[in-house]
Amino acid sequence: AQTVTQSQPEMSVQEAETVTLSCTYDTSESDYYLFWYKQPPSRQMILVIRQEAYKQQNATENRFSVNFQKAAKSFSLKISDSQLGDAAMYFCAYYYNFNKFYFGSGTKLNVKP
Amino acid sequence: GAGVSQSPRYKVAKRGQDVALRCDPISGHVSLFWYQQALGQGPEFLTYFQNEAQLDKSGLPSDRFFAERPEGSVSTLKIQRTQQEDSAVYLCASSLGQGLGDSPLHFGNGTRLTVT
Repeated sequence: AQTVTQSQPEMSVQEAETVTLSCTYDTSESDYYLFWYKQPPSRQMILVIRQEAYKQQNATENRFSVNFQKAAKSFSLKISDSQLGDAAMYFCAYYYNFNKFYFGSGTKLNVKP
Repeated sequence: GAGVSQSPRYKVAKRGQDVALRCDPISGHVSLFWYQQALGQGPEFLTYFQNEAQLDKSGLPSDRFFAERPEGSVSTLKIQRTQQEDSAVYLCASSLGQGLGDSPLHFGNGTRLTVT
């Protein structure tokens, strides 16, 4: 079975600094997608960034970038120039096929002014 | 509508009561998912619809849980004889296509169910 592991329940970062959130996953598939979602107190899950496993190039979206290590089954999220609005729960997610979409347990990110 | 809408936003039920949670997906979205999110945890899959067809209900925790999407748009998640362990946030998500690789999931704000 596919599993997604986020080993950091909570992290803190100073405003304007950089933070990296970790995620590992387990799969026997070769073609799949990985996502990072942000969940603020409003509870709505917001897509931050996505990565296709067949692409070697790491995805970037403005201040957000990933370090995708396929062989190690690792998918970390780097947030540069952290802002107060980045404070939220962050979930790593794995998608394989059809409706097989799995979330990790989340990392709570605190941003200190 | 502009996004996925869920109602009610909060629901308090006494143990043993039946509840119905509603999800209005984005118009035209084929795929609809229900997830259960316990406090401090990630969402767990409950069930999946493709239009009006419920193609996967393997995540429903018991036969007290029932979901429907009769006309392929609005969906209702019903929980009968609620128990305290049913307390959670119930998230609905929809997607334009059948696969999620190219058509991302759009989530609603969820319904927080508290069973007392």
